[in-house]
Amino acid sequence: AQKVTQAQTEISVVEKEDVTLDCVYETRDTTYYLFWYKQPPSGELVFLIRRNSFDEQNEISGRYSWNFQKSTSSFNFTITASQVVDSAVYFCALYFGNEKLTFGTGTRLTIIP
Amino acid sequence: DTGVSQDPRHKITKRGQNVTFRCDPISEHNRLYWYRQTLGQGPEFLTYFQNEAQLEKSRLLSDRFSAERPKGSFSTLEIQRTEQGDSAMYLCASSLSSGSTDTQYFGPGTRLTVL
Repeated sequence: AQKVTQAQTEISVVEKEDVTLDCVYETRDTTYYLFWYKQPPSGELVFLIRRNSFDEQNEISGRYSWNFQKSTSSFNFTITASQVVDSAVYFCALYFGNEKLTFGTGTRLTIIP
Repeated sequence: DTGVSQDPRHKITKRGQNVTFRCDPISEHNRLYWYRQTLGQGPEFLTYFQNEAQLEKSRLLSDRFSAERPKGSFSTLEIQRTEQGDSAMYLCASSLSSGSTDTQYFGPGTRLTVL
């Protein structure tokens, strides 16, 4: 079965703290892609990153970084020096060649000023 | 390059009425997807089109739901005889197929409330 688990339902941190959002996935496929999307209060899902199963290099983009570990089937997302504008619901998603994304239930992140 | 747009943004209707939503994808994107998102959940796949062909439909898409993409550009999603359980956010996404996988870009959604 293909599944994405985001065990953290809600996280609150004080501004400027670092925060890590966890994502664990299940798939039998050897070729798959993992995504992170951000959903601010406006509702639109904003694409953040895509990673394929053959590329385990970690990636950094400004204050955002992603840690992909196939051994633990995890694709975690860290925000460094969080800002109030980072407050949103974040979704991890899995794509395994059937043309659709399977999403986790999301993590609501609140940054307290 | 404009993003995916959806209309209307909000729709309130009475149970039993029909509703239709529209999605305009990013221009030149050949794939278009519909998802449904209920409160506290991630989006769930409903259906997708490659150009004008509807290639897959989820079991979530009952026979009261129909989607079209007549000219391979915009798409409509119609729900007939709405039920309270249809209340949700309906999200549209588009992508440009590249042979491996492609990134889906989402619109702002249409929030449906069935009274």
